[in-house]
Amino acid sequence: GAVVSQHPSWVICKSGTSVKIECRSLDFQATTMFWYRQFPKQSLMLMATSNEGSKATYEQGVEKDKFLINHASLTLSTLTVTSAHPEDSSFYICSAREMDWGNHEKLFFGSGTQLSVL
Amino acid sequence: GQNIDQPTEMTATEGAIVQINCTYQTSGFNGLFWYQQHAGEAPTFLSYNVLDGLEEKGRFSSFLSRSKGYSYLLLKELQMKDSASYLCAVRALYNQGGKLIFGQGTELSVKP
Repeated sequence: GAVVSQHPSWVICKSGTSVKIECRSLDFQATTMFWYRQFPKQSLMLMATSNEGSKATYEQGVEKDKFLINHASLTLSTLTVTSAHPEDSSFYICSAREMDWGNHEKLFFGSGTQLSVL
Repeated sequence: GQNIDQPTEMTATEGAIVQINCTYQTSGFNGLFWYQQHAGEAPTFLSYNVLDGLEEKGRFSSFLSRSKGYSYLLLKELQMKDSASYLCAVRALYNQGGKLIFGQGTELSVKP
């Protein structure tokens, strides 16, 4: 099956620094990728939809300047948490959309990134 | 608006059957997904329903009634490894971005 690679798996950083998370579709082209965050014992909250070659669409309440998304190629989307603060500590997960020849859609998730901001 | 409800937690016995319900009220509907998520890991796909009825896949089955805004996930012959969070997710229409909106998740505990 299709594979989505996300790294790093975990990162610890100091408050005020920026952290970049990469999401790659390894064996398919993904024109659309989604970024989620998840707090402990809570469900996934959609942050933004990343479209290749265009600006990301952010959900209400998500700061565009805080969470920078770049989808420069059909296999790579990046999420940069700028000037991270402790409240940004969370589990971040990406998912990539694959369309097959029958125009059926499948979604595949990366393994997630645990961000801890000190 | 979007509203997806499922029970917060459930407990069942090994070898038994458990049904996890999900009700939804969304402005657009283009399919319903069930995912399994173990703590600290990404969700894994279990099932997908877009038409009314039952979809069966091994020990897991999922049912959808679009008119009632209702779905359930049925797990048979429960095993200890089935202890996990089960997420119900509704997909928006393509002209709404086709994004997945997740419910809060149901934490299932399987006991011996």
